[in-house]
Amino acid sequence: SQQGEEDPQALSIQEGENATMNCSYKTSINNLQWYRQNSGRGLVHLILIRSNEREKHSGRLRVTLDTSKKSSSLLITASRAADTASYFCATDAGNSGGSNYKLTFGKGTLLTVNP
Amino acid sequence: DTGVSQNPRHKITKRGQNVTFRCDPISEHNRLYWYRQTLGQGPEFLTYFQNEAQLEKSRLLSDRFSAERPKGSFSTLEIQRTEQGDSAMYLCASSLARGLAAPQFFGPGTRLTVL
Repeated sequence: SQQGEEDPQALSIQEGENATMNCSYKTSINNLQWYRQNSGRGLVHLILIRSNEREKHSGRLRVTLDTSKKSSSLLITASRAADTASYFCATDAGNSGGSNYKLTFGKGTLLTVNP
Repeated sequence: DTGVSQNPRHKITKRGQNVTFRCDPISEHNRLYWYRQTLGQGPEFLTYFQNEAQLEKSRLLSDRFSAERPKGSFSTLEIQRTEQGDSAMYLCASSLARGLAAPQFFGPGTRLTVL
């Protein structure tokens, strides 16, 4: 079953604009990860945020996590045509020892950046 | 290239045939995962290895599916008596997990088409 749900399902913007994607999940987590997938290819890990963190940055990416609302957001600033891809959030429910072993993915947001 | 590799990249088979996929993880990674992804969906967890031990199998993994990681290095996923519903992208991932949250690194996937 899919725990995460991304919103919106599809997003189309112009190059240079910012893109914001949201993810909601249902159960408590150890960490939440965002991945990018280009059409028909494998997933690329973008960023991992632990449950005790509220915000993380990596280059043009900014991720926030609100565990009280069970939600996360991914912001891509100054988007480029090469950012066109599907973006997935994935939750790691964890266990008493820390990281669990499996990720539960949402259905993804399809981002199209028009040149 | 030191990333996760998968072979073959594409496999077309007839219903009822057996197929086997191979995954070579990043060399020092102790965890290896198999996921399945169908069109428009996020990846779904199938099974996971810690070194050579298979520690969990999803309910999605029927008796027709078997996975091995004989020496804690590469892994194989075999599907016996394939059905059309098995058509999907099969993704392998690996991670170096030492109790802390760890990102998973995905291979390019094997796309299976069952005719």
